Amino acid sequence: DIQMTQSPSSLSASVGDRVAFTCRASQFISNYLNWYQQKPGKAPKLLIYTASKLQNGVPSRFSGSASGTEFTLSITSLQPEDFATYYCQQSYTAPRTFGQGTKVEIK
Amino acid sequence: QVQLQESGPGLVKPSEILSLTCSVSGDSVTRGDYYWSWIRQPAGKGLEWIGRLYTGGSTDYNPSLKSRVTISVDASKNLFSLTVKSVTAADTATYYCARERDLGFEGNWFDPWGQGTLVVVSS
Repeated sequence: DIQMTQSPSSLSASVGDRVAFTCRASQFISNYLNWYQQKPGKAPKLLIYTASKLQNGVPSRFSGSASGTEFTLSITSLQPEDFATYYCQQSYTAPRTFGQGTKVEIK
Repeated sequence: QVQLQESGPGLVKPSEILSLTCSVSGDSVTRGDYYWSWIRQPAGKGLEWIGRLYTGGSTDYNPSLKSRVTISVDASKNLFSLTVKSVTAADTATYYCARERDLGFEGNWFDPWGQGTLVVVSS
């Protein structure tokens, strides 16, 4: 199975901050990497697909990038509704695998 | 607007069978370019892909669960189902169904998701 490792596991930030966190794949996955946002008690919501494509309706302050097997999700000007847990997921091969999540908390 | 809704018992006894259904509205489970998937999440933990069903009935399962899991479809009711046999406390989780878009070289992703249903395995 392809292992997905996210870092950090959590971070504290303030409204208006720019934050970025990473996801590293244990092997080559091309750009087949998706990002999801999950709030407590809710299902995950697709933010970014194929490493850098913004899902319809997702604010443009979210962006994704890739460099080899390392992927980054960036949020410019953090908003109150952005405090959540973010998961990466590879769709290169089955079994699909997710990172362990990065929790963005209010400082 | 495509919507998925999980349903099933919230409590299952150890060693018994967990059965859940996912009702789909706004799309057809027989439509091409999609997989119909199950994913679970133990409380406070990460997401685990269980498996998926493709149009035509073919399936893929997580090797860690493959011996105990079956995903099937009822096209007449536009729903798909998950069965996990011989459950233990480790199967306690929120179970989500999701549609996986398959665009080949353009990638695959899970969207939308159902709201999730909590299943507790306990005597």
